[in-house]
Amino acid sequence: DGGITQSPKYLFRKEGQNVTLSCEQNLNHDAMYWYRQDPGQGLRLIYYSQIVNDFQKGDIAEGYSVSREKKESFPLTVTSAQKNPTAFYLCASRRPANTGELFFGEGSRLTVL
Amino acid sequence: GEDVEQSLFLSVREGDSSVINCTYTDSSSTYLYWYKQEPGAGLQLLTYIFSNMDMKQDQRLTVLLNKKDKHLSLRIADTQTGDSAIYFCAERNSGGYNKLIFGAGTRLAVHP
Repeated sequence: DGGITQSPKYLFRKEGQNVTLSCEQNLNHDAMYWYRQDPGQGLRLIYYSQIVNDFQKGDIAEGYSVSREKKESFPLTVTSAQKNPTAFYLCASRRPANTGELFFGEGSRLTVL
Repeated sequence: GEDVEQSLFLSVREGDSSVINCTYTDSSSTYLYWYKQEPGAGLQLLTYIFSNMDMKQDQRLTVLLNKKDKHLSLRIADTQTGDSAIYFCAERNSGGYNKLIFGAGTRLAVHP
């Protein structure tokens, strides 16, 4: 079955550590996205990539970094510069059609201790 | 600017209809979407509507779009306990990179 796989599902981090969240898709989609979700707030865009070897900052990119070396993979690194990293992180890819709907992974919950 | 607003909570009785409302600001939005999120999971696309449509029906789901008022609603007929979740409205940004702008989500609670 095609889909988006995020790992790990739960992650604990000490302050000052960088962590990397994995996102893999086998849908053959070009565009991929990282969103952050906090309670009572909508999803906020961190980074997006429209094609391999290219990515752009979203609305809240500070303290995060990404890479897009392969079409299937779009990992997100939460750096120690991110002041409030505890959140639920969602990766998505976009269907290459006029409808342009996003398909989401199951999310990764990061908790900073 | 771009903004999507939803009420945060809705409580309905099992078997009744649920209506979740959403307002948006980008008048040039081409597509609007409804997503469902169950606890601890990702978002699942329920349905979408193109901006030149007024209504779309898909089994128990009815989407109404009032483009003049920039108002979108999702009606769930015969609401079941399995419909308890958070429902997100989203509009597709008219800019160059197809960004989706999401509302904060409406938590639907279905009680017996």
